[in-house]
Amino acid sequence: EADIYQTPRYLVIGTGKKITLECSQTMGHDKMYWYQQDPGMELHLIHYSYGVNSTEKGDLSSESTVSRIRTEHFPLTLESARPSHTSQYLCASSEGNKGSYEQYFGPGTRLTVT
Amino acid sequence: GDSVTQMEGPVTLSEEAFLTINCTYTATGYPSLFWYVQYPGEGLQLLLKATKADDKGSNKGFEATYRKETTSFHLEKGSVQVSDSAVYFCALLNTGGFKTIFGAGTRLFVKA
Repeated sequence: EADIYQTPRYLVIGTGKKITLECSQTMGHDKMYWYQQDPGMELHLIHYSYGVNSTEKGDLSSESTVSRIRTEHFPLTLESARPSHTSQYLCASSEGNKGSYEQYFGPGTRLTVT
Repeated sequence: GDSVTQMEGPVTLSEEAFLTINCTYTATGYPSLFWYVQYPGEGLQLLLKATKADDKGSNKGFEATYRKETTSFHLEKGSVQVSDSAVYFCALLNTGGFKTIFGAGTRLFVKA
């Protein structure tokens, strides 16, 4: 069983609010990822990190930002939420720098911006 | 660049039917291949994987064989159950790569 956690699981918030989606893993993995999942279920990589103090933008442009101050923690922040940010956000982690390492996913945060 | 193409869904089957979900890939080098499953309200979880040509991954009655000659990794199960209803994602991780490439996902409905 994967030890990767996301909070909150569900969030309904008004336009213009600042929000932080939390993601933590207890596996000591170096690599962490944030995906946005659209209603058609396709995954879009929005941020990733190779390790502490490393963050990179993913394939899908996003107004969100991330930080990686500790190995186990990879929070995602939206400074000013908009209805277009309504989506499912999935956090994942994997070990090592190369190889056949699979990704471990958290349960997701479903965000609704009204 | 690397890519994964999987059959569009939804796929609707009766219980105990045979399942095939097609997946083909484009990649340089020798990628590792994966099938992930996402049950309703949950994140993805690894179903099975194969790391080199002709390897067969298997788990929970599901199987997939890494076919380099046809660049395919089709998912099969001999007899599906209602509990197999989920979204299935084919994915690849290339040698030296850091990002997993996911297919668009195939939703499976199994009727009792």
